[in-house]
Amino acid sequence: SSELTQDPAVSVALGQTVSITCQGHSLRSYSASWYQQKPGQAPLLVIFGKNKRPSGIPDRFSASSSGNTASLTITGAQAEDEADYYCHSRDSTGNLYVFGSGTKVTVI
Amino acid sequence: EVQLVESGGNLVQPGGSLRLSCAASTFTFSSYEMNWVRQAPGKGLEWVSYISSSNGLTYYADSVRGRFTISRDNAKKSLYLQMNSLRAEDTAVYYCVRRAWKQEWDVFDIWGQGTVVSVSS
Repeated sequence: SSELTQDPAVSVALGQTVSITCQGHSLRSYSASWYQQKPGQAPLLVIFGKNKRPSGIPDRFSASSSGNTASLTITGAQAEDEADYYCHSRDSTGNLYVFGSGTKVTVI
Repeated sequence: EVQLVESGGNLVQPGGSLRLSCAASTFTFSSYEMNWVRQAPGKGLEWVSYISSSNGLTYYADSVRGRFTISRDNAKKSLYLQMNSLRAEDTAVYYCVRRAWKQEWDVFDIWGQGTVVSVSS
């Protein structure tokens, strides 16, 4: 079982806003990063640190955190945002890494 | 373009061994810590192993500790994963992943395309 918990699936209407949460004890000490994965592709880093985006990632992706919960928000979701999203951080020992269970985002 | 290319995936019988390789290009491989991450069919991502940039420090997930060994050759810009005593549950796509970090963040910023390992009789 994962030390980082995510809702299995969410849906969002085209152009609307959706937030995905990731909960875990280690998030009180370590920041989360978020990865997008489309079918048949490798994961892609979309958000890290205090709301930083790698080059090429649209600014409709944003992140926040509070206590043991990290959140990824897509503001104005597009059809191409339909994918699985995984949070990632350190485990409770701080020595190992852990991924969240993943959230499937469907754009309707 | 910064790139990681995995190879070595194959079909292997339970109890068998396999060695995965990952070739890095267009970045200073020796400056980066590296990881292996896997994804079983239809499942989520699972971190497998970590290796430091130069001093050989390694970490493993509980599920593979004692069976898998991560290593690297900085002169060849290559990362390896030696997998022994393979089980059906090791069946997955294995990704080679670069770690980048600063004090306030720690990320897996570059991923290879993955190599498929199937463990079956």
